[in-house]
Amino acid sequence: DTGVSQDPRHKITKRGQNVTFRCDPISEHNRLYWYRQTLGQGPEFLTYFQNEAQLEKSRLLSDRFSAERPKGSFSTLEIQRTEQGDSAMYLCASSAAGTGGEKLFFGSGTQLSVL
Amino acid sequence: EDKVVQSPLSLVVHEGDTVTLNCSYEVTNFRSLLWYKQEKKAPTFLFMLTSSGIEKKSGRLSSILDKKELFSILNITATQTGDSAIYLCAVSYDMRFGAGTRLTVKP
Repeated sequence: DTGVSQDPRHKITKRGQNVTFRCDPISEHNRLYWYRQTLGQGPEFLTYFQNEAQLEKSRLLSDRFSAERPKGSFSTLEIQRTEQGDSAMYLCASSAAGTGGEKLFFGSGTQLSVL
Repeated sequence: EDKVVQSPLSLVVHEGDTVTLNCSYEVTNFRSLLWYKQEKKAPTFLFMLTSSGIEKKSGRLSSILDKKELFSILNITATQTGDSAIYLCAVSYDMRFGAGTRLTVKP
């Protein structure tokens, strides 16, 4: 399978615990995006990388959220001291950025439930 | 701050109807506008629009962009129950999404 893959598919955790999600983009894609989506809403932008550089982070994102893409390939998103409001679907997408516009390819997401 | 607004937020129609979904945007660095369909999990790509006035078509779906008035529309003709989904609009450079339009097609 050469699409975007995310792991785990589901995560249940207790409030206050730390969680980490992984995203493996399509191999030749240089851009990687993280989104959060709650029921009935569109994907909310969290952050994106171009290669290993994190170019933008949403102002809505608290300091409990951190993302890395150390070698410009896979990425991790960590949430520290989880809260019930963090319960959501976390989507990763990748693209090959070019001057003609880019098309995002999405993974199936990680569904986080904070109890 | 960049903004992408979709309307309506929700729409219920009957099979065979034609629907028009709207996406307006205010972004500082526009490159393209994309439409996605989301049924269960991951959004799937429909169209990418970069130039004004050029209609993109795929079967019963079509879309057009107006860069002067900063909006796009997605048309679906002869709707089917399988068209029921959330339709999302995103604008590049930063790939901001709107809230989506939830379309329900009743038999």
